[in-house]
Amino acid sequence: AQSVAQPEDQVNVAEGNPLTVKCTYSVSGNPYLFWYVQYPNRGLQFLLKYITGDNLVKGSYGFEAEFNKSQTSFHLKKPSALVSDSALYFCAVRDDRGSTLGRLYFGRGTQLTVWP
Amino acid sequence: NAGVTQTPKFQVLKTGQSMTLQCAQDMNHNSMYWYRQDPGMGLRLIYYSASEGTTDKGEVPNGYNVSRLNKREFSLRLESAAPSQTSVYFCASFRDRAVNEQFFGPGTRLTVL
Repeated sequence: AQSVAQPEDQVNVAEGNPLTVKCTYSVSGNPYLFWYVQYPNRGLQFLLKYITGDNLVKGSYGFEAEFNKSQTSFHLKKPSALVSDSALYFCAVRDDRGSTLGRLYFGRGTQLTVWP
Repeated sequence: NAGVTQTPKFQVLKTGQSMTLQCAQDMNHNSMYWYRQDPGMGLRLIYYSASEGTTDKGEVPNGYNVSRLNKREFSLRLESAAPSQTSVYFCASFRDRAVNEQFFGPGTRLTVL
């Protein structure tokens, strides 16, 4: 069965400090991993994805994520946080097999707060 | 391109009333999805449609029906709304390659009294 865990409901960091939002996954086949961000009263926006290749993936707004197969993790990172990064972040994994192609499994979300 | 659009943005229903949430995409995607978002629960899949004319149940289909009207449109119907269906509903679409991301609509905030 496919699943995603985001172990932290909330992450608080000071502006200018590095941030990490954690994600671990479980999938039967090859993992296709995604990060989405949701600003208040908005839909989900795609940030970045890991399909294959380099373990460090770069995405929108200066975010990056590191894929670690042995730890089954896909943590989201940013070297220097901004107050405007404050939002709800979702990790998701795809099942790449057969009739469920395309279906995403989401974590419960991590609320990131960056204070000035 | 408008991407994925949803109507209405907000809706308040009384228990037992019915309504249909509309979703449309202009990206020529085959697959479309309906999710609900509840605090602390993430997004849970209600129904999805892998192609025009097909629909399948997701994790939480009870109390809902869907119609894939054509390739562009995928509607979600609540026949007899219950307070437990108070939630934010998102529609999404997907171009059929596993490497691609899903695109989400802005959501419908539904309150059932």
